[in-house]
Amino acid sequence: EVQLVESGGGLVQPGGSLTLSCTASGIVFSSYWMHWVRQAPGKGLVWVSRINGDGSGRVFADSVKGRFTISRDNARKTMSLQMDSLRAEDTAVYYCAGSPDYSNSIHYWGLGTLVTVSS
Amino acid sequence: DIVMTQSSISLTVTPGEPASISCRSSQSLLRSNGYNYLDWYLQKPGQSPQLLIYLGSTRASGVPDKFSGSGSGTDFTLKITRVEAEDVGVYYCMQALETPITFGQGTRLEIK
Repeated sequence: EVQLVESGGGLVQPGGSLTLSCTASGIVFSSYWMHWVRQAPGKGLVWVSRINGDGSGRVFADSVKGRFTISRDNARKTMSLQMDSLRAEDTAVYYCAGSPDYSNSIHYWGLGTLVTVSS
Repeated sequence: DIVMTQSSISLTVTPGEPASISCRSSQSLLRSNGYNYLDWYLQKPGQSPQLLIYLGSTRASGVPDKFSGSGSGTDFTLKITRVEAEDVGVYYCMQALETPITFGQGTRLEIK
């Protein structure tokens, strides 16, 4: 059974930082592109970032470019999202998600972790 | 960026009846390999999204055949042959052609 488990969410003040982690099991992790997708309360899905299988390629949504960093450790089957200079509009549930190599179709989703940016 | 538009925000269907959800993209999702890079996802209440259809018409693993995807280029449709209570939730189309990946705003399916 495939599992993606996020951790690291919580309450942070505007301008602060937070690091989200995702741990995978049940898949050949290095064969999956990994994504972060977020969903603000009561709103739709918004793609945030993607990292390719060997970590050499990273892409970000314009709304987070320069503030968020994505990384992965294939040996530990983990992926991280370092979020700096957080804003109120970053408040959302953040989903870890995986697509097979060379595809953006997201076959696996985690349960999500809530990030709240508020003073 | 590719803009994805779902024409209906909500849909109310009688159990056992069919349902159809439309999605339009601001540019063609058809590649020279013949595939349309359009996915459909369902987010049931209180759950994470789940993949239903990818590459326009391929059902994901474990998805019942009452769900089907069709269309090409910029216009796509998700059909459910017989709606059941378990199909309630928000359906999203998503373009998988290029980054930034973009989603439609979602169509909420409710049971009458």
